[in-house]
Amino acid sequence: EVQLVESGGGLVQPGGSLRLSCAASGFTFSSYWMHWVRQAPGKGLVWVSRINSDGSSTSYADSVKGRFTISRDNAKNTLYLQMNSLRAEDTAVYYCVAAEVRRPYYFDYWGQGTLVTVSS
Amino acid sequence: NFMLTQPHSVSESPGKTVTISCTRSSGSIASNYVQWYQQRPGSSPTTVIYEDNQRPSGVPDRFSGSIDSSSNSASLTISGLKTEDEADYYCQSYDSSNFYVFGTGTKVTVL
Repeated sequence: EVQLVESGGGLVQPGGSLRLSCAASGFTFSSYWMHWVRQAPGKGLVWVSRINSDGSSTSYADSVKGRFTISRDNAKNTLYLQMNSLRAEDTAVYYCVAAEVRRPYYFDYWGQGTLVTVSS
Repeated sequence: NFMLTQPHSVSESPGKTVTISCTRSSGSIASNYVQWYQQRPGSSPTTVIYEDNQRPSGVPDRFSGSIDSSSNSASLTISGLKTEDEADYYCQSYDSSNFYVFGTGTKVTVL
């Protein structure tokens, strides 16, 4: 059974940092591109970042570029999102998403999400 | 980058058909595949259509997808509407720079 389990969310003050993790199991992690997608309370889905299967290539939404860093450890089957200089508008549920390397645009597997709240 | 615009909401009675549009603001809708995701309240999204018109296994054939280059839009059609189809639906596509975009989302209400 495919599982993506996010962790690391919580309450953080504006300007603070947080590191999200996503533990993957049930599929060949190293054969998948990975994405982070977020959803503010009551709002729509927004793509945040992606990393290719070996970690050599990344891309970011303009809203987080320069503040967030995506990375992965294929030996540990784990995806990360380092979030710095957090703002109130970063408050959202963050989903970890897997996309097969042949179809990196097809968000195949989704985690249950972890809530990040940025507030003083 | 481009945007994908969807109607805010659609509603219809059980057994009827609804169609949700997804209009791309710039660039050709046909140049990159479109996917559709269903999100029920309190749950993570799941795929109902990928690569414009392909259904993942387990998705009923009541769900279908299409592309219309003349209007630069994609459409999701749900026929034989059931109460379990009540959810938010999002289209999604990407560009050649590996930027990914979700549509604005459509709430489907089954009356």
